[in-house]
Amino acid sequence: QQPVQSPQAVILREGEDAVINCSSSKALYSVHWYRQKHGEAPVFLMILLKGGEQKGHEKISASFNEKKQQSSLYLTASQLSYSGTYFCGTVSTSGTYKYIFGTGTRLKVLA
Amino acid sequence: GAVVSQHPSWVICKSGTSVKIECRSLDFQATTMFWYRQFPKQSLMLMATSNEGSKATYEQGVEKDKFLINHASLTLSTLTVTSAHPEDSSFYICSARDLGGWAYEQYFGPGTRLTVT
Repeated sequence: QQPVQSPQAVILREGEDAVINCSSSKALYSVHWYRQKHGEAPVFLMILLKGGEQKGHEKISASFNEKKQQSSLYLTASQLSYSGTYFCGTVSTSGTYKYIFGTGTRLKVLA
Repeated sequence: GAVVSQHPSWVICKSGTSVKIECRSLDFQATTMFWYRQFPKQSLMLMATSNEGSKATYEQGVEKDKFLINHASLTLSTLTVTSAHPEDSSFYICSARDLGGWAYEQYFGPGTRLTVT
């Protein structure tokens, strides 16, 4: 059961803001956010833990609603370099450790 | 930060041949590594979990006899695609958990692009 991200794709102009959502059908221990450029491996952006701890870049913010099993990534004052595909990765609280990527959100920032 | 390398970066092989991809954690020990496959414009799909010193755990629908995983040491896992076919062409990415790290943080290798002709 792959986490579902929304929107699937979004186009912004430089300086605009965007929100990317990640929704899981399972109870989550943590949510991780990554950005992937075409042909490259994912680059770590942020981790959010159950209980409120988080670690990430200064210019990226995110939230994690444990009850709703959802996370949102907030991109403010977008730059051209923000273009790429964003994935959430989730670790559930049940069973063995397994890291599942979300469906992805393609973001393009235009000058 | 922790670094994971993959080799080769890209490989082209003929149908029916086997290809081995290496994943190494360069500055930390990883008892667990993960192998993902990504088709164009799709998400990364977990293929298997590689555990040092024991058999890999494969996800549903992944043929274990076709995708052989060996995790021989705390810094090396290998994925061998046996009798590769064009439909196996994909971007293969490994990742490793740093048990000394914070909160199940994973580190990804740069990926291997496999093209089977």
